[in-house]
Amino acid sequence: DAKTTQPNSMESNEEEPVHLPCNHSTISGTDYIHWYRQLPSQGPEYVIHGLTSNVNNRMASLAIAEDRKSSTLILHRATLRDAAVYYCISSHSGTYKYIFGTGTRLKVLA
Amino acid sequence: SAVISQKPSRDICQRGTSLTIQCQVDSQVTMMFWYRQQPGQSLTLIATANQGSEATYESGFVIDKFPISRPNLTFSTLTVSNMSPEDSSIYLCSVAETASSSPLHFGNGTRLTVT
Repeated sequence: DAKTTQPNSMESNEEEPVHLPCNHSTISGTDYIHWYRQLPSQGPEYVIHGLTSNVNNRMASLAIAEDRKSSTLILHRATLRDAAVYYCISSHSGTYKYIFGTGTRLKVLA
Repeated sequence: SAVISQKPSRDICQRGTSLTIQCQVDSQVTMMFWYRQQPGQSLTLIATANQGSEATYESGFVIDKFPISRPNLTFSTLTVSNMSPEDSSIYLCSVAETASSSPLHFGNGTRLTVT
């Protein structure tokens, strides 16, 4: 199973963009890259996922490196409600397992 | 996206007893998973619940301690057996509609405290 590596914590100012990095150097060619976030006292919430191309949705953008060994979750304008733990995971196409790493705790400053 | 109801939302149990957690999904899903989240930690996959057959357990988790049932495509249970205080955690059911390309959806979890 591909392992993901993320910084333990990051800070951002409100209304500014946030770039959350993730390394997944052992990812295989058919494993998807997923991002989730977890607010206090809640289950994780799906944010975005992709395979090779960059992806955009109403919550965020996902930029995937050409070699697929890393990706970046982009929150275009951080709000206080975006303060959460963000998890980057790789879903294994063979076993269909989703293995969570340690995540990045994002703090948004007013 | 799938809506997941998990019961109970929280419980306080005595050591040596067992608790069964239920997970109900409002639509048929291919993949169902059970995770554990210890205080301040990330999520750890316990097992994949397979419809009509034995669950697939991750390293460190065994069927005798965490028996899982999945009688159909919308329902699963996880039992935490012979509990000890070390089992105090949040237990989360999650689903994916098809395979690894599908997003995971989670319930709000069961907060278990063992005294």
